Amino acid sequence: QSALTQPASVSGSPGQSITISCTATSSDVVSHNLISWYQQHPGKAPKVMIYDVIKRPSGVSNRFSGSKSGNTASLTISGLQAEDEADYYCCSNAGSGIWVFGGGTKLTV
Amino acid sequence: QVQLQESGPGLVKPSETLSLTCSVSGGSISGYYWSWIRQPPGKGLEWIGYIFYSGSSNSNPSLKSRVTISLDTSTNQFSLNLRSLTGADTAVYYCARYYCSTDGTCHYFDYWGQGILVTVSS
Repeated sequence: QSALTQPASVSGSPGQSITISCTATSSDVVSHNLISWYQQHPGKAPKVMIYDVIKRPSGVSNRFSGSKSGNTASLTISGLQAEDEADYYCCSNAGSGIWVFGGGTKLTV
Repeated sequence: QVQLQESGPGLVKPSETLSLTCSVSGGSISGYYWSWIRQPPGKGLEWIGYIFYSGSSNSNPSLKSRVTISLDTSTNQFSLNLRSLTGADTAVYYCARYYCSTDGTCHYFDYWGQGILVTVSS
C-alpha cells in the first residue's frame, strides 16, 4: 500500500476544473514540501507538471496548479481540455533519501 | 537536450538477476542524481532507487535487499541489478534524472527514458 493515496479516477467536461488529491499516511512523507505531480499518457514516460507543491516547470500550462493542506496535496486543472486526459501521479521526497509515488489517478475528459 | 535510453533483456527467468543499463546523452552524468522507477502493466509507478555521480545510493526499503545501482562516469551510464526475480517484477523500467538545487535538495524527475518492458517468465 502506497504511503500516498490518490483517488482511482476523476472526470470532468471540457472547460471545467477538477482537483486530484494526494493524501499522505504520515506527515513525515509530505513534511519536506517536495511534492511533485506527473502526467502520463498511455505508452509514454511521465512528465512533471508541478514541483515543490506549487511550482510549475517552464513550458507547463498555467491551467495546472498545486496546493497543500495538512497531509493532503492537490493538483487542480482548470479549463479542462481533451489532451489533459491521462494518468496523474503525485510523488514526494519523503526524506532520508526515500521517494514515494501515489497510486495514480485516471482523468477522463 | 539530455536524453536517456534504457537497454537490457526483455525476458528474464524467475529467480534470475535483471541487469539494465541507462545511457545518458546530451549531457554529463557527473553532478547529478539518477534514478530507476518501474511500472507494472496497468499499475502505478514505483520508485526503485537512486545513485549520485559520486557513488552514494539508496533504494526502496521494499526492494533494498535485491537492488544494486551502479554508475560509470567514463561511459556516461548507470545500471540496475535486481536479483531473485519473480513475476511481480514484470514491469516497464524507466531511468530518470533528478532536478536538484545547488544545496543538494532534489525536487523532481526532469528527464526520463522511454522505458523498457521486462517480463519475468520461464
